[in-house]
Amino acid sequence: GAGVSQSPSNKVTEKGKDVELRCDPISGHTALYWYRQSLGQGLEFLIYFQGNSAPDKSGLPSDRFSAERTGGSVSTLTIQRTQQEDSAVYLCASSFLGRGRIGYTFGSGTRLTVV
Amino acid sequence: AQTVTQSQPEMSVQEAETVTLSCTYDTSENNYYLFWYKQPPSRQMILVIRQEAYKQQNATENRFSVNFQKAAKSFSLKISDSQLGDTAMYFCAFMNAGSYGGATNKLIFGTGTLLAVQP
Repeated sequence: GAGVSQSPSNKVTEKGKDVELRCDPISGHTALYWYRQSLGQGLEFLIYFQGNSAPDKSGLPSDRFSAERTGGSVSTLTIQRTQQEDSAVYLCASSFLGRGRIGYTFGSGTRLTVV
Repeated sequence: AQTVTQSQPEMSVQEAETVTLSCTYDTSENNYYLFWYKQPPSRQMILVIRQEAYKQQNATENRFSVNFQKAAKSFSLKISDSQLGDTAMYFCAFMNAGSYGGATNKLIFGTGTLLAVQP
C-alpha cells in the first residue's frame, strides 16, 4: 500500500481480555517500530524489528506485551490481560534504512481503551 | 541516555503570524538526527523537517525552518505565515545515527507542544 496501515482504528476492551493490534508497513520497508502514546505524553518506544535480526524489545513495559513480525512484513502487537493503564494510542511506523536515507512513515494508530 | 525536552505544553498564534517552538535535548553522541513531527487530530505523525547534526546550515522547508544550536543542544522550530491547518501537536525527536540499521535507530520524542492557530 501507499502508507502504513493499522487496524483496528479504535478498540474498546474489558479489563483482563487479550487484544491484538495489527500493522501493515510500506512494502519494502525493512524496519518496523511500535510506539505507545499515552494522554499528555510523548511517544514511548516499545519494540523494533529490522530484517531478520532479533527484535529490540527493550521498550516493552511488561511481559504482558509481545509482538511478532511475520515474513518481514505484517506485525502484530499483543497485549494479554489488559489493564486500564494500557489505554493509549499505539502507533506503528516503518522505515527503509540505508546510508543517507533516514525517515519513518507512521500509521494513524490504534486507540485502545480498556474499561 | 538521550532525552528530549519540550518546555511549552501549549502555544497560540494568530493566523499569518510567526511562532517558534522550543526543543532541547541531551546526548553524548556527536552524530545524530533531529526531527520535528506534526500530529493533527487524525493521529498520523507527519514529518515536518529534519536536521543532520553534522550540517551547520539550518534546515528549511517552505514556511518551516529550524534554529539548530549544536553546542547548546537546542533545536527550535519556526513557523512563518501561520495557517489554520498548522493547528496540531508538534513533537521534537532525536535519533542516534551511529549505526544505521541497528537497534539504535529508534526515535526519542519530547512530550509535545499543542499549537493553536487563531483566525
